[in-house]
Formats: sequence, C-alpha cells, structure tokens
Amino acid sequence: DVKVTQSSRYLVKRTGEKVFLECVQDMDHENMFWYRQDPGLGLRLIYFSYDVKMKEKGDIPEGYSVSREKKERFSLILESASTNQTSMYLCASSPRDRGPGTEAFFGQGTRLTVV
Amino acid sequence: RKEVEQDPGPFNVPEGATVAFNCTYSNSASQSFFWYRQDCRKEPKLLMSVYSSGNEDGRFTAQLNRASQYISLLIRDSKLSDSATYLCVVIPYNTDKLIFGTGTRLQVFP
Repeated sequence: DVKVTQSSRYLVKRTGEKVFLECVQDMDHENMFWYRQDPGLGLRLIYFSYDVKMKEKGDIPEGYSVSREKKERFSLILESASTNQTSMYLCASSPRDRGPGTEAFFGQGTRLTVV
Repeated sequence: RKEVEQDPGPFNVPEGATVAFNCTYSNSASQSFFWYRQDCRKEPKLLMSVYSSGNEDGRFTAQLNRASQYISLLIRDSKLSDSATYLCVVIPYNTDKLIFGTGTRLQVFP
C-alpha cells in the first residue's frame, strides 16, 4: 500500500517560531510537492522538488523554504511563523511521468494554527 | 487570470441525477489533465485521468477540448457517496508540477 506520511496531523505554534513540517514517501517517487489549502482558494503550490536537492518555487513561496536531502523526505520550513500561515498543509509525491498515467499521492495533511 | 478555473458550486442534485462540471485552463501547452476527488477532511485522491479522445470509467466520463481549453467531468446516476469536492488538475508543458483548480463541491441528496 503506497504511502505519503506527514509528521503531524495538528500543530499549534506561536508567531515568530520556526516550524518544520516533515513528509516521507515510500514509493521511490522523484517528485514531491508542498501545497496549502484554504477555503475558497483550493490547493496552492508552495514548493516543488523534482530530485534530491532540487527545488522550484510554486505560486506562493514567500515565507517558506524547503529541504530535500534524501529522495524519500521533503521538509517544509516556516522561517518565522505568522498568523496568515494558519492553514492545511498537504504533501504529495508523484513519479517523473508527465503523461496521463501520472498519479500523485497525498499525505493526510497537517492542520497548522499559528497564534 | 488563474491557471486553472472551476465553478466552486455547490451543485446540489438528487440521487440518480446526471451532473457535469467544467474546468478551464489558461496554458494552451498543457500536457496532462486529471480529475481528483476530495472528501471532507481527507486528502485528494485520483478519480481519473483525462485522455485526448475522452474516457469513461463506470458512471464517470471525462472529456478534453484542447481548442477551447477546457475539460469536463460527467457523473451519471449520482449516488449519495458521490458527495465530495472534485478537483481539476493540469500538468503544464515541460514540467512535472500539478496545478489544481479550486474545486467544485457536489452534494447529492436523497
């Protein structure tokens, strides 16, 4: 059974804290993604990684950074958490295949609240 | 203009009804298209890929219109269990990024 696992389901952090969200996949996928999902805005791509140590900015990278030191792990870092980063964060992975056979698998999500 | 646009709904339909959703995309060079389903408080999951010639999977039919840059999803004989948010997903040309629409919410009632 394929799996993408996010380290926490719920997190509460204080404004200004450095926050780490971890994601691990066991499918040997090249691609990994971090999205945030907000009501009315859908899933917005924060960062994308297509290989170890390789990354691309998504649509809303400001205030975030990422790390991919190993193929199976992709970390999202909030350098200094702010209340407008309160959201549901979803990690996903997919194989390097741009065709219709590509399927992305998601983690269960991390609900982050910044107070 | 958003890269992928959907009507957010909600679409409220009775059991047994046929319902259709459209999704438009702005990048004419987009290469792959999908419909994902997301249940309340769950992660998105692939419902079906969308092939150029159109494709069917049971009660679900997906169509692609490259000239007008839209994809559609038709659900026949709606079931209560079809209630969910349906997400349109596009992979632009020369990238592996998945770009999501905001989703269309479907509520099927008895």
